[in-house]
This record gives sequence, C-alpha cells and structure tokens, in this order.
Amino acid sequence: SQTIHQWPATLVQPVGSPLSLECTVEGTSNPNLYWYRQAAGRGLQLLFYSVGIGQISSEVPQNLSASRPQDRQFILSSKKLLLSDSGFYLCAWNLSGRQARGEKLFFGSGTQLSVL
Amino acid sequence: GIQVEQSPPDLILQEGANSTLRCNFSDSVNNLQWFHQNPWGQLINLFYIPSGTKQNGRLSATTVATERYSLLYISSSQTTDSGVYFCAVVGGAQKLVFGQGTRLTINP
Repeated sequence: SQTIHQWPATLVQPVGSPLSLECTVEGTSNPNLYWYRQAAGRGLQLLFYSVGIGQISSEVPQNLSASRPQDRQFILSSKKLLLSDSGFYLCAWNLSGRQARGEKLFFGSGTQLSVL
Repeated sequence: GIQVEQSPPDLILQEGANSTLRCNFSDSVNNLQWFHQNPWGQLINLFYIPSGTKQNGRLSATTVATERYSLLYISSSQTTDSGVYFCAVVGGAQKLVFGQGTRLTINP
C-alpha cells in the first residue's frame, strides 16, 4: 500500500534562517506531488505541484521554492524565512496524470512551522 | 478561477445529532472530494464524488453537478467526528481548489 512521509512534525526557526521540509511517497511510482500551506486552521493554499522529476509548477509568487530530485521525493525550501512564512505545511500526492479524472488526493501529516 | 464556498463555517452539535454540510462551486467540475481534518491536523480523504451519492458508514455524500453543489451528511454524530471538513474541486485548471471548510464540534 502507498504511504506518504513528511518531516519534521514541528519546526521553530528564526527570521532569516533557511528552510528545508521533505516529503517522500512509498508504494507507487511517478506520482503527482503537491505542497499546500494552511494558515489559521482554514483554507489550504496550493504552493507547488510536480508531475515528474525536475518539473515544478509554482502557484503563487513567494519566498519559497520546491524541488523534486527523485521520483518520490519532494522538498520545500527557503533561503531566508520571513515571519509570514509561518503556517501548517502539507505534502500530498495522487496518481500521475489523473487529478482531472478523479484520483483521490492523499496528505502527509503536516509540518507546523513557526518563524520567530 | 473556480470558487468554492462551504457552509456553515462553524457548527456545534450534541453527540447523536445529525448534520448536513454544504459545498457550492462556481463552475462545472470533473472531480470533487470531501476531506476531514482532525484536531491534530491530519487530512483524511472521505469521498471522491463528482456526481451521485455515496455512503460510508455514518457518512454519506451527494453531489448534484448540474446545480453545482455537494452535501455531506453525518448521522448519529460522535465526538471523534469533530474537526474541519473541506470540500475540494477540480475545474478547468486541473488543480484541486479547496473551500474554507466547516468546523464541526461535537459535544458529549
């Protein structure tokens, strides 16, 4: 069966420090991968999605970047964190090429990031 | 882009009550999913239901695509049903767009 791992669960970082959040999927190949951010317990905002290695689409201009160095690995990064980067970050996956046709989306357990 | 509105934003019920959550969307969709986020933040996929009706235990969902809405029914609520329920849709942009959620609190 497929599983998704996301770490760390919580992170406290000072303003201006770098960030690296990692997400890996097991039990499937060539998944679509997504990074979402959730602020104040409501409303998930899509940040990045990837349909394959090295293929990243950005949804909103921001202080963050994403990379997909391996088929089942998705990394969210920042060179210098801002206070506004605080939030709950969720990684998700679904089967390749099928979001429009109805494949379910599955989420990791999330990372609570606090920038102080 | 497509707009997704959920109502009510907050709902407080006693254990054993039934509830109906609504999701309206602004354009035709080919993918609609309901999620439950528990108090620890974990998002669980409840239903994939672009049209028709599905049931899973005490939960059921109905989507009327022609009228652009979906309903999630929870019967005989339990405290473990508490959390935020999200509706998400895919329209022409091929990406899942989430509503703002309904926060459900079930009191013992």
